[in-house]
Amino acid sequence: NAGVTQTPKFQVLKTGQSMTLQCAQDMNHNSMYWYRQDPGMGLRLIYYSASEGTTDKGEVPNGYNVSRLNKREFSLRLESAAPSQTSVYFCASSRLAQGGANVLTFGAGSRLTVL
Amino acid sequence: RKEVEQDPGPFNVPEGATVAFNCTYSNSASQSFFWYRQDCRKEPKLLMSVYSSGNEDGRFTAQLNRASQYISLLIRDSKLSDSATYLCVVNFQAGTALIFGKGTTLSVSS
Repeated sequence: NAGVTQTPKFQVLKTGQSMTLQCAQDMNHNSMYWYRQDPGMGLRLIYYSASEGTTDKGEVPNGYNVSRLNKREFSLRLESAAPSQTSVYFCASSRLAQGGANVLTFGAGSRLTVL
Repeated sequence: RKEVEQDPGPFNVPEGATVAFNCTYSNSASQSFFWYRQDCRKEPKLLMSVYSSGNEDGRFTAQLNRASQYISLLIRDSKLSDSATYLCVVNFQAGTALIFGKGTTLSVSS
């Protein structure tokens, strides 16, 4: 099915370990995003990429790095995981809708636990 | 003032009830508005866009009040399957990322 694919779906890390969350979309969207969702905090933007070759910080970028590998793929890397990064991570891509608005399509999420 | 604010609820209603959610946003220059739906432990999905003139999609009606900087979602004849968290989403500027409210939880019971 067309859409946004994230891997892995679940991951447990120890403090200090590193890992990369992978995201790919097959809808030919220009923009891609990484959000995290925590109880009571809602969805918060970590990084986004408006187009291939560009990335920008969102609301909570500290402790993360991203790579827009090509138009399809946008990865999120935790260099040294901390318990505060325990969260559900959502990748999304967007198309332009009426009036120039970005309509997001999300991946199924990656549940990360840092011990 | 937070950028996008919603009453977290929960709203507990019986089947067939009409329920309304409001959302306020801080940036008067905001350009586009949406309601997303998120089921428990699932990803958010677009429910509907919100247009200046208001718009309806079946049992769902969305309204925008730019002067007061709020948007609303009305659900008529609630179904059990409407139970979910409803996220208010605002795009402050074309080409920038969307800002999400924390969501309003709806529970419809039989």
